[in-house]
Amino acid sequence: GAVVSQHPSRVICKSGTSVKIECRSLDFQATTMFWYRQFPKQSLMLMATSNEGSKATYEQGVEKDKFLINHASLTLSTLTVTSAHPEDSSFYICSANIRQGGSYNEQFFGPGTRLTVL
Amino acid sequence: QQQVKQSPQSLIVQKGGISIINCAYENTAFDYFPWYQQFPGKGPALLIAIRPDVSEKKEGRFTISFNKSAKQFSLHIMDSQPGDSATYFCAASMLGYSTLTFGKGTMLLVSP
Repeated sequence: GAVVSQHPSRVICKSGTSVKIECRSLDFQATTMFWYRQFPKQSLMLMATSNEGSKATYEQGVEKDKFLINHASLTLSTLTVTSAHPEDSSFYICSANIRQGGSYNEQFFGPGTRLTVL
Repeated sequence: QQQVKQSPQSLIVQKGGISIINCAYENTAFDYFPWYQQFPGKGPALLIAIRPDVSEKKEGRFTISFNKSAKQFSLHIMDSQPGDSATYFCAASMLGYSTLTFGKGTMLLVSP
């Protein structure tokens, strides 16, 4: 099956620092990766869509200068939370897209990264 | 505007019972409907998915029923087990597009 990894799984940082989260597709190439944010007991909120070799597309209300996304290769996308503040504390999840036959797409999710900003 | 409405918000089922979660969508351009299972502190895992050319898909104890005219689809978990206790999300996407629209989720608790 398609496996997506995230690193780190958990990070605690001080307010004002930057944190980088890596998302890798381990056994397939993903032209498109997604970054989500999830608050406790809530659904996934799409932050941005990341395409290899091009700039990410951010959802309305997501600050692109705060959440920097780099899709460096077909197997790696990174999310950098710049100048993190306590309100950025959340569960961040990435997913990678596989295009199946007939133009249908399937998304496979990483295990998530718990960010706590003190 | 929420395009996929999911109910119930939470569900308690006895072991061995049937768990039923319902979703309704508004956008008739949606034509791929996956269900995801998420355990606390973990990422969602694709459970089962259906396309509109069939009305039902079964994989083990999990069945999706799809009603195109009513714009509704549901997940049935037969012989529910305590290990099925998790949050379930329905989702939808359009042909050729990879972006998923998620429901708000259902917290399922299967009591022993």
